[in-house]
Amino acid sequence: ETGVTQSPTHLIKTRGQQVTLRCSSQSGHNTVSWYQQALGQGPQFIFQYYREEENGRGNFPPRFSGLQFPNYSSELNVNALELDDSALYLCASSFGHAGELFFGEGSRLTVL
Amino acid sequence: DAKTTQPNSMESNEEEPVHLPCNHSTISGTDYIHWYRQLPSQGPEYVIHGLTSNVNNRMASLAIAEDRKSSTLILHRATLRDAAVYYCIRGVNLGGSARQLTFGSGTQLTVLP
Repeated sequence: ETGVTQSPTHLIKTRGQQVTLRCSSQSGHNTVSWYQQALGQGPQFIFQYYREEENGRGNFPPRFSGLQFPNYSSELNVNALELDDSALYLCASSFGHAGELFFGEGSRLTVL
Repeated sequence: DAKTTQPNSMESNEEEPVHLPCNHSTISGTDYIHWYRQLPSQGPEYVIHGLTSNVNNRMASLAIAEDRKSSTLILHRATLRDAAVYYCIRGVNLGGSARQLTFGSGTQLTVLP
């Protein structure tokens, strides 16, 4: 148990739809990162939020966006879903940028 | 390329030490080396990290080469619960407080009873 919870655990969408994934970070953690993990591959960095602002982004298009709230929980939004967006989406929280990351168990998204 | 290079798979016998190698020849001077592991249907779990010198914690040891182009994760006595995919990762500073972990494909460790 890492104290990081994600919802929903599984969901199915169709191409072109929009999805919102949610993450509740571990108590006291002010930094949240999101990762995408395709089947059989390592996680890929999407972006990081620190004190409600995006302060780092990987190689993902603008249709991937996020929010961090005052309680440090976070959302990942993906618009105009594509088949290749099917993956496990992982949220990780930490205190500051140098500490270890605590990952949730992920949200499995399937796009049909 | 910020990714690391690891063997796809390794096997170990239970209660024996395991040495998991990693190459990161393009690492910069400020990038930390992190190791995480992932069991099926779970998120990655932190194992250890370091910058220049060798590091030890309750889970493992991390030996970093003097030129920092390679490192080795050492599990002192493998157990069946250590069977997982082990990721060697560069922690890239993006500026300010932002940090990106660049995962590779990892090493699937099988522990034999």
